[in-house]
Amino acid sequence: EAQVTQNPRYLITVTGKKLTVTCSQNMNHEYMSWYRQDPGLGLRQIYYSMNVEVTDKGDVPEGYKVSRKEKRNFPLILESPSPNQTSLYFCARGGPAEYSGNTIYFGEGSWLTVV
Amino acid sequence: RKEVEQDPGPFNVPEGATVAFNCTYSNSASQSFFWYRQDCRKEPKLLMSVYSSGNEDGRFTAQLNRASQYISLLIRDSKLSDSATYLCVVYFSGGYNKLIFGAGTRLAVHP
Repeated sequence: EAQVTQNPRYLITVTGKKLTVTCSQNMNHEYMSWYRQDPGLGLRQIYYSMNVEVTDKGDVPEGYKVSRKEKRNFPLILESPSPNQTSLYFCARGGPAEYSGNTIYFGEGSWLTVV
Repeated sequence: RKEVEQDPGPFNVPEGATVAFNCTYSNSASQSFFWYRQDCRKEPKLLMSVYSSGNEDGRFTAQLNRASQYISLLIRDSKLSDSATYLCVVYFSGGYNKLIFGAGTRLAVHP
């Protein structure tokens, strides 16, 4: 079964304290991405990666970093979180590069609150 | 104007009702279309792809109108378990090459 696992699932942190949300997948897919979901705005792509050591900005990359040192893992890094980064975050595997009937699999989501 | 727009709802319907959602998109270079379902506080999951000729999966029917740039989802004989938010997803190609998610339409089915 395709699985995307992200941690932590819930986090309350303070402004400026660096944090990392981990993401791993068990399907050896090249394409992975991070989204944030906010009320009324839908899912917006933060960063994506088409393969190891290949990452690129999505629609809302400001304030975030990612790395892809191995195919399985794609962590999201907030170097200096701010309250406007309070959101629900989803890691996903699969995407437009593979779209010929393939499905995007999302992780269960990480609820992040920055105070 | 948003690239993908949906009526946010909520649509409150009784069990057994037929309900339809529309989704409009702004870019005619759009190539592929999908409906995802998202339960409260959960991750989105693919419900069905939308094909040019229209397609059906049990009680669910998806239609595409390229001329008017909208897709629709029809749910017949609504069940309580259909209560969720339905996300319209459009794949834009032609160098843009990305997926755009609508903000979702919320459906609440009541007894």
